[in-house]
Amino acid sequence: DARVTQTPRHKVTEMGQEVTMRCQPILGHNTVFWYRQTMMQGLELLAYFRNRAPLDDSGMPKDRFSAEMPDATLATLKIQPSEPRDSAVYFCASGLGDSFRGQFFGPGTRLTVL
Amino acid sequence: QKEVEQNSGPLSVPEGAIASLNCTYSDRGSQSFFWYRQYSGKSPELIMFIYSNGDKEDGRFTAQLNKASQYVSLLIRDSQPSDSATYLCAVNIGRSGGYQKVTFGIGTKLQVIP
Repeated sequence: DARVTQTPRHKVTEMGQEVTMRCQPILGHNTVFWYRQTMMQGLELLAYFRNRAPLDDSGMPKDRFSAEMPDATLATLKIQPSEPRDSAVYFCASGLGDSFRGQFFGPGTRLTVL
Repeated sequence: QKEVEQNSGPLSVPEGAIASLNCTYSDRGSQSFFWYRQYSGKSPELIMFIYSNGDKEDGRFTAQLNKASQYVSLLIRDSQPSDSATYLCAVNIGRSGGYQKVTFGIGTKLQVIP
């Protein structure tokens, strides 16, 4: 049963702390996406990788957010320092090519920054 | 103007009725269109994709695409209480650099009343 996995599922931290979220895409998928979802903004694309190379991170606050793919089985999203406005659910999704057949989402990381 | 627009709802329909969910998009070059279902507290789940003008049917679900009007819809026949969820419309939009990026609408909340 192929699925995207994400860790941690929940994270509560204090303002100023570093937060690292991890994602394992579906084996064989070569595109990985990081999204942030809030009630007000909906689903926002933060970063997009194809074959581990970043294609688009224009939706990501550059001063505090960073995204990497150290290898084909691991994608990371880091926030340093975290702020209360970063509280949201962060989803990772994977797909094939330009995802013409859609993306497959992980269960998400619910982040609360106090 | 948002790239993908949906009415946030809620849309309430009685059990057994047809639910009609609508989405408009701004980029005429868009090539592929998706509907995702998201239950409360869960991640988005791909239910249908469509590329060509016309209708595409899958069980109780029918996706309709009209590129001239820049309009895509999802019909759910014989609606069930288990269909109560938020339905996200997503559109593949071309970007400079030769890749395509999926942009999501805010989602329409559907309530099926027993």
